[in-house]
Amino acid sequence: DVQLVESGGGLEQPGGSLRLSCAASGFTFSSYGMSWVRQAPGKGLEWVSAISGSGDATYYADSVKGRFTISRDNFRNTLNLLINSLRGEDTAVYFCAKAFRDGYWRFDYWGQGALVTVSS
Amino acid sequence: DTVMTQTPLSLSVTPGQPASISCKSNQRLLYSDGKTYLYWYVQKPGQSPQLLMYEVSRRFSGVPDRFSGSGSGTDFTLEISRVETDDVGVYYCMQGLYLPPTFGQGTKVEIK
Repeated sequence: DVQLVESGGGLEQPGGSLRLSCAASGFTFSSYGMSWVRQAPGKGLEWVSAISGSGDATYYADSVKGRFTISRDNFRNTLNLLINSLRGEDTAVYFCAKAFRDGYWRFDYWGQGALVTVSS
Repeated sequence: DTVMTQTPLSLSVTPGQPASISCKSNQRLLYSDGKTYLYWYVQKPGQSPQLLMYEVSRRFSGVPDRFSGSGSGTDFTLEISRVETDDVGVYYCMQGLYLPPTFGQGTKVEIK
């Protein structure tokens, strides 16, 4: 069974940094693109970033470009998201999502999410 | 960005009755490969989203056949033939053709 388990969330001050990780199992990790999708409290879903299976190609939402960095470790089956220059509007639950084979931003499985709270 | 508009935003349904959610895109979602990249997800209370339908009408693994998807071009519909109490949650459509992928606002389904 596909499993995606996020970690690394927490409370951070504005301007700080945070690294989220997603441990994947139950599928050939390197064969699939992966994404991060976030959900602000009480709000809808917003795609944040995607990465190809090899890690060679990365994509970002305009709202996070230059501050977020997506990466992956195909030996450890782990997806990462480094968030710099945190802002209040980054407060959200961050989900990692596995993509269908035919596209990096078409999701079939989601993790349970990691809560990031940005507050002084 | 592609705008996805769902109606209604909330729905209260008697168990055993049908329910229908509309999703409209401001761009056509048919790609040159013949596929239409429209997806439906449900987020049950306290859970992460889970995939119901992909490419408009293809039911994902384990999804009951009470759920069906239809539509083409820019107009799509998710139908539940007989709502059950376990169907409570927020339903989202999403387009996966254009970058960034975008979601509808969500439709909250409650049981009467």
